[in-house]
Amino acid sequence: NAGVTQTPKFQVLKTGQSMTLQCAQDMNHEYMSWYRQDPGMGLRLIHYSVGAGITDQGEVPNGYNVSRSTTEDFPLRLLSAAPSQTSVYFCASSINPYTGAPPGGELFFGEGSRLTVL
Amino acid sequence: SQQGEEDPQALSIQEGENATMNCSYKTSINNLQWYRQNSGRGLVHLILIRSNEREKHSGRLRVTLDTSKKSSSLLITASRAADTASYFCATDSQGGKLIFGQGTELSVKP
Repeated sequence: NAGVTQTPKFQVLKTGQSMTLQCAQDMNHEYMSWYRQDPGMGLRLIHYSVGAGITDQGEVPNGYNVSRSTTEDFPLRLLSAAPSQTSVYFCASSINPYTGAPPGGELFFGEGSRLTVL
Repeated sequence: SQQGEEDPQALSIQEGENATMNCSYKTSINNLQWYRQNSGRGLVHLILIRSNEREKHSGRLRVTLDTSKKSSSLLITASRAADTASYFCATDSQGGKLIFGQGTELSVKP
């Protein structure tokens, strides 16, 4: 059982380049989310999705795009990378927090993608 | 701004001692969760406590929740070196939009 899989694990970009961080889960979870983790800042929610075709903004959405065309995949796109986006990115999934039992369930995290923007 | 604030930011104890970490939050919540993160790894869920619960146990973990003070605590009893990790609280106030605190770095010395 793979759980939540993130690729790539490491990436170096130049300012202005674009890239997509991939996230896939095999637990049939409706809820998926992206966080960034920076030293001293904990984890901050970027975007989240409660099901295919539905996405919403988190705490720090600027500079990032997401889409959810399937239940399994939730890619995070950086259209024009900036040094301020240097961070560790985590994808997480759970049962639907609105309809699942119990609601607001535990998140399952991937191992992270470490991004450096020069 | 982040919902949860954790205290202390860092904690160093000897094996066998108890470790207590605190989390305060700002708005009303549906539930509060605690997670653990080993260095360089993803977060792992430890325990969830709902807003109508006051205390919950799981093995050596004890979590309390005081909604009147908007605070929670995580107690790890009889700590082991393997408990060395960062611990985060996370609050759910909008049906799944889980907001994390900044974490407590726990070091357990053998």
